[in-house]
Amino acid sequence: EDQVTQSPEALRLQEGESSSLNCSYTVSGLRGLFWYRQDPGKGPEFLFTLYSAGEEKEKERLKATLTKKESFLHITAPKPEDSATYLCAVQARNAGNMLTFGGGTRLMVKP
Amino acid sequence: DTGVSQNPRHKITKRGQNVTFRCDPISEHNRLYWYRQTLGQGPEFLTYFQNEAQLEKSRLLSDRFSAERPKGSFSTLEIQRTEQGDSAMYLCASSLDVSRNAFFGQGTRLTVV
Repeated sequence: EDQVTQSPEALRLQEGESSSLNCSYTVSGLRGLFWYRQDPGKGPEFLFTLYSAGEEKEKERLKATLTKKESFLHITAPKPEDSATYLCAVQARNAGNMLTFGGGTRLMVKP
Repeated sequence: DTGVSQNPRHKITKRGQNVTFRCDPISEHNRLYWYRQTLGQGPEFLTYFQNEAQLEKSRLLSDRFSAERPKGSFSTLEIQRTEQGDSAMYLCASSLDVSRNAFFGQGTRLTVV
């Protein structure tokens, strides 16, 4: 069974304090690993897709990396508007298009 | 392209009543998914359509749940005889093909009282 575990569950940062969020996964053949951002009361907003170990993607203050067992979302010099829940999900090769999500990391950035 | 649209945004219903939610995917997307999300948890897969065919159903989708996608366009999710445990955010997503990202709607928040 595919599993995704995210840590920490919650993270408080001061504005400008860089950090990383972890996503550990087990999947029977990875098709892709996805990162989403979710604001309270809203649907997840797509950030990145990573397909193979060693791949990296960047968008503004966010950088996602992938190994064979985990992915990291690095946040450089975060701003209060980066506060949200960050969700990681995996898609297995034999699972159609279904995504298996982790529980998310709630990020709070204080000014 | 206005993204994935879900209606209603909020629904409060009494236990035992039936409810129906609607999802309008991005127009050219042939794949449509329903997920359920409870507070503090990640979304859980419910069911998947490719065009009008329902190809996958999670074991979470009990007999009280039914989904349709007539003509491969919009989709509806119906919950019969609602229970308090059905209270959750119901999310719809769509994608162009199996290797493309799924884009989510804003969700329908269901509260069963």
